[in-house]
Amino acid sequence: QIQLVQSGSEVKRPGASVKLSCKTSGYMFSAYGINWVRQAPGQGLEWLGWVSEYDGNTQYAQNLQGRLTLTTDTSTNTVYMELRSLKSDDTAIYYCARGISAVLTPADYWGQGTLVTVSS
Amino acid sequence: IVLTQSPAILSLSPGEVGTLFCGASQRVSHSYVAWYQQRPGQAPRLLIHDSSTRATGVPFRFRGSGSGTNFTLTINSLEPEDFAMYYCQQYASSPTFGQGTRLDVK
Repeated sequence: QIQLVQSGSEVKRPGASVKLSCKTSGYMFSAYGINWVRQAPGQGLEWLGWVSEYDGNTQYAQNLQGRLTLTTDTSTNTVYMELRSLKSDDTAIYYCARGISAVLTPADYWGQGTLVTVSS
Repeated sequence: IVLTQSPAILSLSPGEVGTLFCGASQRVSHSYVAWYQQRPGQAPRLLIHDSSTRATGVPFRFRGSGSGTNFTLTINSLEPEDFAMYYCQQYASSPTFGQGTRLDVK
């Protein structure tokens, strides 16, 4: 079955970087795109960016341009999200989620989420 | 594109019909709007994409409609498991989510 398994919780200081992983299985990697979405405690959903499994093409939310990098590793069917210069309001659950097609589309399969806490 | 969902909280009883609204600050081309359900402690679940296409496995009681700047999610004959948060999303341009509607048991 299709699965997206995310790496474990992280605690970081302000100004640090965090790199999360999302290992996919159960489907042909390179045929879809992966969205990253976060949810601050008690808040709504925020779309962060998207990466093509096929060619690594990316799109980022404007407010995160320059701080966010999405990459893929086709040898392990894993997608990575790196967020730099962390601030306290980056504290959130981060989800990876597979789009329904190869272009930027809504997500039908989601990882379990990774809690990132930014605190001094 | 800014999405505004209404109402913020909708209180209904099982068996009733729920109507949730999503308004866009500008026209959403191709009606590229999706709806998600999120239960507490869970990841979101895709219900509807392209404004009116049900995702795989979504019950027929969930119906999406709309175009331009006005979109609606209708849930017929509410089941106990339908009481949750609902978010709309547009993906015609850089994707954005609405702030959500909480569907509560009356």
